[in-house]
Amino acid sequence: SQQGEEDPQALSIQEGENATMNCSYKTSINNLQWYRQNSGRGLVHLILIRSNEREKHSGRLRVTLDTSKKSSSLLITASRAADTASYFCATDAFNLQGGSEKLVFGKGMKLTVNP
Amino acid sequence: ETGVTQSPTHLIKTRGQQVTLRCSSQSGHNTVSWYQQALGQGPQFIFQYYREEENGRGNFPPRFSGLQFPNYSSELNVNALELDDSALYLCASSQGTSGYEQYFGPGTRLTVT
Repeated sequence: SQQGEEDPQALSIQEGENATMNCSYKTSINNLQWYRQNSGRGLVHLILIRSNEREKHSGRLRVTLDTSKKSSSLLITASRAADTASYFCATDAFNLQGGSEKLVFGKGMKLTVNP
Repeated sequence: ETGVTQSPTHLIKTRGQQVTLRCSSQSGHNTVSWYQQALGQGPQFIFQYYREEENGRGNFPPRFSGLQFPNYSSELNVNALELDDSALYLCASSQGTSGYEQYFGPGTRLTVT
């Protein structure tokens, strides 16, 4: 089953603009991660934010987490054509027995950055 | 590029056959997770191996099985292939079973005809 759901499903912007992607999830989480995937190949880890963190930065990336709303956002500033890819959020959630489930991915969001 | 490698890159099999996919984990990582990614979908967790033992399994039938070796490399075996098994199979290695970033390999594209 898929826990995270990215929004919008597709986004097309011009180089230099900012891109914001949102992720909503359903159950309590340990942490939330964002990944990028180019052309159906392997995923590249972008950033991990833990459930007790509210915001995290990495270069041009900014991730926020609102556990009360069960949502996260990924902001890419000053986008480049090379940022064109699919972006996924993934949650590491608690299961009913109180243990940690493995990563559960959303369906992804396709970002196109036009030169 | 991560240090995770997968083989083969592409594979075509016939319904009913069996397939073995291989994954070499990144140096220093003791955990390997396998995912199935259908076209246009996010990866779905198949199972995870930690120190040669299965450590969690997703909603996949028993014909999906795996192994992890002492050097932490891993295999995914699928028996009695079905058309719906056509997908990109991804393995990911990590330093632990939960709460660590996962380093993905480039994937194996399996086509079942």
